[in-house]
Amino acid sequence: DAKTTQPPSMDCAEGRAANLPCNHSTISGNEYVYWYRQIHSQGPQYIIHGLKNNETNEMASLIITEDRKSSTLILPHATLRDTAVYYCIVRVATHSTGRRALTFGSGTRLQVQP
Amino acid sequence: NAGVTQTPKFQVLKTGQSMTLQCAQDMNHEYMSWYRQDPGMGLRLIHYSVGAGITDQGEVPNGYNVSRSTTEDFPLRLLLAAPSQTSVYFCASSRGQGLAYNEQFFGPGTRLTVL
Repeated sequence: DAKTTQPPSMDCAEGRAANLPCNHSTISGNEYVYWYRQIHSQGPQYIIHGLKNNETNEMASLIITEDRKSSTLILPHATLRDTAVYYCIVRVATHSTGRRALTFGSGTRLQVQP
Repeated sequence: NAGVTQTPKFQVLKTGQSMTLQCAQDMNHEYMSWYRQDPGMGLRLIHYSVGAGITDQGEVPNGYNVSRSTTEDFPLRLLLAAPSQTSVYFCASSRGQGLAYNEQFFGPGTRLTVL
């Protein structure tokens, strides 16, 4: 099963770039990497996803290494509202039928400092 | 669109009681799922469904039942509530389960306390 490893916490100064790493060394060739975030106790919110190429949208950039064993989420200009728990997710097979579903780990708690 | 809605927002149960957490979506999504989140922890998948009439177990299915009779609704049933089921429950939906990208949309959560 593809699983992810993230640092438990990180700090970032307001206005600076926040770089959040994720290791997924057992990811298979056709699995996507997804990033979500959870602000306070709200439901998680989708940020970005990728397969092989680097991706950018209005929220963030995603850099995936060539061997696909790790990735980095970049928030180019962090604000106080970006303080949240960030989850790096790949799909894993469930035990009973082998069907795949998103599984969340513990994530990285990002604290943006004023 | 209302997106993903969950009821109730808060619930207190006594040990041994039963209840159903409701989840509905109006986006015609095939895939729906239930997660629980304990304090300071990440989300853990309880059950999920890839379409009406089809459900499957996630990481922590014990103590919970689900059914999917319509595309819109995916209720989660606790048959004999236990204090270990005190948690925040999130429902989510997405278009499908294929290999391509599928953004999951989450509801606001139900905060359940079992005494």
